[in-house]
Amino acid sequence: DAGVTQSPTHLIKTRGQQVTLRCSPKSGHDTVSWYQQALGQGPQFIFQYYEEEERQRGNFPDRFSGHQFPNYSSELNVNALLLGDSALYLCASSPRERGGGDTQYFGPGTRLTVL
Amino acid sequence: DQQVKQNSPSLSVQEGRISILNCDYTNSMFDYFLWYKKYPAEGPTFLISISSIKDKNEDGRFTVFLNKSAKHLSLHIVPSQPGDSAVYFCAPADNYGGSQGNLIFGKGTKLSVKP
Repeated sequence: DAGVTQSPTHLIKTRGQQVTLRCSPKSGHDTVSWYQQALGQGPQFIFQYYEEEERQRGNFPDRFSGHQFPNYSSELNVNALLLGDSALYLCASSPRERGGGDTQYFGPGTRLTVL
Repeated sequence: DQQVKQNSPSLSVQEGRISILNCDYTNSMFDYFLWYKKYPAEGPTFLISISSIKDKNEDGRFTVFLNKSAKHLSLHIVPSQPGDSAVYFCAPADNYGGSQGNLIFGKGTKLSVKP
């Protein structure tokens, strides 16, 4: 049983570019959350998707957007990249009927570097 | 404004001894508290949790204590093992079952257990 997978593993972009990160949830999970972890910080909640809709959002600008597909996989898009967007982006999945943090499974993350 | 503070960035302990990791929070609305462990190049993994109706929860070598009046919780690991060396994050939630993923992480404490 594959856990949460993310692609790509690493990514280098320049300021002003756009980036798309991908996440496949653990089998049986239908809810996907995205977090940003800057160097030396804990993960910060970006948003959560369920039934192909954004259900909750953290304190992130509109440059951060997402999408969830019918197979529950998800994308995180960031437009007009800034140097400060350099971070590890984590995807977490959970089964909606239980919810709660203890059922969240995290992927290994995508390391984004903005030059 | 940091709602969750882990004031010790690092902790070094001898194998077999007790490790105590601390976490302070400011939001009295938090009612469920989780600890995650993170190894390099991996996503965080759920370790143990505690509800605000309890003051202690134990799972094998891991025990979490909650002092609501002081808005303080701690994670005890006894006995500590070299495999416990990782970054530990404290992550309260403000509505277990309701927020469904809006975890607020501290900055983490890097634990090193020496053989």
